[in-house]
Amino acid sequence: QVRLVQSGAEMKKPGASVKVSCQASGYTFGSYGISWIRQAPGQGLEWLGWSSTHNTNYAWKFQGRVTMTTDKSTDTAYMELRSLRSDDTAVYYCARQRYYYDNNAYLYWGQGTLVTVSS
Amino acid sequence: QSALIQPASVSGSPGQSITISCTGASSDVGSYNLVSWYQQHPDKAPKLIIYEGTNRPSGVSNRFSGSASGNTASLTISGLQAEDEADYYCCSYAGRLLFGGGTKVTVL
Repeated sequence: QVRLVQSGAEMKKPGASVKVSCQASGYTFGSYGISWIRQAPGQGLEWLGWSSTHNTNYAWKFQGRVTMTTDKSTDTAYMELRSLRSDDTAVYYCARQRYYYDNNAYLYWGQGTLVTVSS
Repeated sequence: QSALIQPASVSGSPGQSITISCTGASSDVGSYNLVSWYQQHPDKAPKLIIYEGTNRPSGVSNRFSGSASGNTASLTISGLQAEDEADYYCCSYAGRLLFGGGTKVTVL
C-alpha cells in the first residue's frame, strides 16, 4: 500500500534553513508528484508547492525561499525552506494525489513533521 | 486570509444534518468544479472525504456528500455522529492549491 514517511521533528533558529524528507513506498515514485502543505499551531492548511521528477510549482508566497526536489534512487521527496522566521513554525506534511491527473484530491499523507523556529 | 471562505464553526445534534459552505471565485471554485474536502481530527493528518466536487474515496461513509453551485461548494454530513466532530477544509485548484480557512464541526 502507498506510504509516505517523513523525517523527524526539527528545531531551528531564525534565519536558518530546514530540509524535510518524505520517503515514498508502495507505488511507482516517478509517476506522481508530491505536494507540501503546512499547518501552523491552531491554524488551517497552507500549500507550499508541488514537485515531481520533471517539474515544480511553488506557491507565490514561498517563491525564492523554498526548494522542492525528488530523488528517484531513494523514492524520496525533499522540501527545503530557507530564512526561517518564527511564523514558519508549523507541522509540514507531504501528500500524494489519488491519481496522477488529480489536481487537488490528496488521498495519501505523511505523518507530518513539526518544525519549530525559535531563538 | 484564506482564498476560500468557510464558516468558522458549525454544530449539530446527533442524527441531524449539517452543511458547510465554501465560497471562492469564478477563477477557482466557479471554474473547475473540482473542489475536494478534507476531514482532520486533532493531531492527525487530513483525510480526503470528497473529491471532484461529489465523489467519495473508497471507505468514506456515504453520510458525507458534496455539491456545488456557482462559486460556492458545500459539504453535507447526514446523520451526524460523535466521530464526525473534527475540522473540515475545502480545497480548490487554480494553478495553485487553495484551501479554505477550515470549519470546526461540533456534535452537541
